[in-house]
Amino acid sequence: SQKIEQNSEALNIQEGKTATLTCNYTNYSPAYLQWYRQDPGRGPVFLLLIRENEKEKRKERLKVTFDTTLKQSLFHITASQPADSATYLCALVPRLRDDKIIFGKGTRLHILP
Amino acid sequence: GAGVSQTPSNKVTEKGKYVELRCDPISGHTALYWYRQSLGQGPEFLIYFQGTGAADDSGLPNDRFFAVRPEGSVSTLKIQRTERGDSAVYLCASSLSVNANTGELFFGEGSRLTVL
Repeated sequence: SQKIEQNSEALNIQEGKTATLTCNYTNYSPAYLQWYRQDPGRGPVFLLLIRENEKEKRKERLKVTFDTTLKQSLFHITASQPADSATYLCALVPRLRDDKIIFGKGTRLHILP
Repeated sequence: GAGVSQTPSNKVTEKGKYVELRCDPISGHTALYWYRQSLGQGPEFLIYFQGTGAADDSGLPNDRFFAVRPEGSVSTLKIQRTERGDSAVYLCASSLSVNANTGELFFGEGSRLTVL
């Protein structure tokens, strides 16, 4: 069955350092991989996506890589700030129009001042 | 409104009761998803609509759960004979259309269901 794994339940990073989150998947060939941010008590908010034929994507302090051979995506936040503390979710977008988008469990990130 | 609207934001009910949760998606979004999220977990897929029809309902846990979207806009998730294990946040999301663009989902704030 399809499976998505995100590294560790919680990650503590010192302010100013780079936070790196991992998303691994099995039994799936996504067209895209997305990353979302979720704050407590709120719905997830889309951050960025990467296509299967892209190796890397950047947006401001965010960088995502996608390795379809390893079936892995890495999500980096550079120059991290306490305001970056949240849960980060990865999601797989299917090739087929009538197939569903599935989410990982998420990684809680704490940026320590 | 500009975003996805979900009502009620909080619902407390007793075991065995019937519950309806409503989702009003962004205007023009043809794709609509329902997810369920328990504490410390990621969103768990329930059902996905393209227009009025359920494209994939494989995530509905059992026949107590049912969802409709009769006019291709507002959707209602219906839970019969609620059980304590149904307690969770029910998230709704809409999208222009999977694979028509990026498939980016716009989520509502969720409906928190507590079954006593």
